[in-house]
Amino acid sequence: DQQVKQNSPSLSVQEGRISILNCDYTNSMFDYFLWYKKYPAEGPTFLISISSIKDKNEDGRFTVFLNKSAKHLSLHIVPSQPGDSAVYFCAASSFVQVGANNLFFGTGTRLTVIP
Amino acid sequence: NAGVTQTPKFQVLKTGQSMTLQCAQDMNHNSMYWYRQDPGMGLRLIYYSASEGTTDKGEVPNGYNVSRLNKREFSLRLESAAPSQTSVYFCASSASGSTGELFFGEGSRLTVL
Repeated sequence: DQQVKQNSPSLSVQEGRISILNCDYTNSMFDYFLWYKKYPAEGPTFLISISSIKDKNEDGRFTVFLNKSAKHLSLHIVPSQPGDSAVYFCAASSFVQVGANNLFFGTGTRLTVIP
Repeated sequence: NAGVTQTPKFQVLKTGQSMTLQCAQDMNHNSMYWYRQDPGMGLRLIYYSASEGTTDKGEVPNGYNVSRLNKREFSLRLESAAPSQTSVYFCASSASGSTGELFFGEGSRLTVL
């Protein structure tokens, strides 16, 4: 059973507009969340994270929002650039069981930014 | 900066053949991992090594073995390859106490005919 879900396999956005990628989770024990970005023929790279004590974390054009009551997080990219075109994976873990062996990934959303 | 290096990048096997995927990291990380990525399945953990000398099963360990050769190197072996093991394999590493910030290799695409 998928504990981390990304229900949109793909998303297309015009350059300069906002991209919003969504992620839902089912395990209430998750308290640390991450986004990874993956280009073709490369490994995923860490993008941004958030712990459950916050509801927002911002890093440049990237902001992650966490809604614990809804078990939902989202990644906002503003403004979107063609170089942001990639697959984005959401991931979740628990501080109770610290360690990346308890990291669960979503299935990914392919973002295409149209010039 | 090499980071995490995997070899080979591509491999085609026949059912029943064996092979080893090699992984090395130069970031002095204690923990290393092997994931597989399949369409519609995301990244799934096969095996991990929390520190040199230890290995543990992940979510999908069947059909695989691993060896943590030293702090730098972590290999994944398929003893008798099956078509279901056709996938892209990623090695990753992380520092001790990491809450999930992994450094990944470029991936190894394996096809089993």
